[in-house]
Amino acid sequence: DTEVTQTPKHLVMGMTNKKSLKCEQHMGHRAMYWYKQKAKKPPELMFVYSYEKLSINESVPSRFSPECPNSSLLNLHLHALQPEDSALYLCASSPPTARAKNIQYFGAGTRLSVL
Amino acid sequence: ILNVEQSPQSLHVQEGDSTNFTCSFPSSNFYALHWYRWETAKSPEALFVMTLNGDEKKKGRISATLNTKEGYSYLYIKGSQPEDSATYLCAFRRARNFGNEKLTFGTGTRLTIIP
Repeated sequence: DTEVTQTPKHLVMGMTNKKSLKCEQHMGHRAMYWYKQKAKKPPELMFVYSYEKLSINESVPSRFSPECPNSSLLNLHLHALQPEDSALYLCASSPPTARAKNIQYFGAGTRLSVL
Repeated sequence: ILNVEQSPQSLHVQEGDSTNFTCSFPSSNFYALHWYRWETAKSPEALFVMTLNGDEKKKGRISATLNTKEGYSYLYIKGSQPEDSATYLCAFRRARNFGNEKLTFGTGTRLTIIP
């Protein structure tokens, strides 16, 4: 199994809603990532979890709250989002090594629209 | 802020023709350069990871070269086929990052093969 599965594929939410994005992998990877991609822009790193601990937070607003309950699962909890947060949210994972050939395996993303 | 640039932004190529495009990245503190292929509505898929100046990688009809001293990488596609239509992303990893990989992506080259 070389897949990273993201659910839901699409999400529409209001600014007062609370929702969560889910990411799952069963490749034994111990690093997991959230990226945000706006139209015609490159994916931008938001968070990195390493061995279920948050290792990088790229100064992301607190209305985005990541969670890594176990080594296979990564969540992104959303609360009080703004319309400008509408984007494609990508999850990725990589094997537990700091070597340069540390390919990241991506999910297909969740397309989020905030109304 | 790291600047990773790709050119051209988009490209239309006749089926059977060969093509190439460029990724430019900072030449200092280089660690690795990744290439990904991203088909619409699918997950980005890793093509190559290159670490050494002068590296050349090949996968079928696709190959890549790396020049770390001047900060660029070329991706070549020989004998383009319709299934090559995708966005090609490069991603730069700088040395001395802590934790797992932090990749800085370019905006991509969108390739369309005309049958």
